[in-house]
Amino acid sequence: AQTVTQSQPEMSVQEAETVTLSCTYDTSESDYYLFWYKQPPSRQMILVIRQEAYKQQNATENRFSVNFQKAAKSFSLKISDSQLGDAAMYFCAYRSPNSGNTPLVFGKGTRLSVIA
Amino acid sequence: EAQVTQNPRYLITVTGKKLTVTCSQNMNHEYMSWYRQDPGLGLRQIYYSMNVEVTDKGDVPEGYKVSRKEKRNFPLILESPSPNQTSLYFCASNVIAPRVTDTQYFGPGTRLTVL
Repeated sequence: AQTVTQSQPEMSVQEAETVTLSCTYDTSESDYYLFWYKQPPSRQMILVIRQEAYKQQNATENRFSVNFQKAAKSFSLKISDSQLGDAAMYFCAYRSPNSGNTPLVFGKGTRLSVIA
Repeated sequence: EAQVTQNPRYLITVTGKKLTVTCSQNMNHEYMSWYRQDPGLGLRQIYYSMNVEVTDKGDVPEGYKVSRKEKRNFPLILESPSPNQTSLYFCASNVIAPRVTDTQYFGPGTRLTVL
């Protein structure tokens, strides 16, 4: 079974600075998908960014980018020019490409605080 | 607007009183799933459905039931709720398509407290 590990329960960053959230995963599959979800105080699960394992290019979405290291099974999220609205719980998630039951396997989350 | 809706958003109930949390999606997705979120544990899958009348257990199905009579709806049923089912519940849906990086769309969550 796949597992996802987020080793940083809490992180903080100064407004306008850059922060990197870590995520590692364990799988025997060669093809899969990785996601970062943001959960603000409203509790909504919001997709931040996603990465296909077969793509070597790191995904980027505006101020959010990932560092995907397939051999190391690492998938970190970098937030540039941090804003107060970035404060939230961030979850890393893994998904198998199979056409059967493909639940997201989540890490336990990293709580990010943004300091004004 | 493409969305997953859940009702109620908040519910306080007592042990043993049957309840249903509804979930509906308007994207014609085949796959629907229920998760529960608990502090320090992340999200864990309760049940899922691959299509109408096709449901199966996830990782933590004990104490829950589901049904899928229509493609758009996937209610979560707690026949006899217990305090250990106090949690935040999410419904999610997506299309089923191999090798498609389709995102799971999440509902807004239902905060359930069982006294």
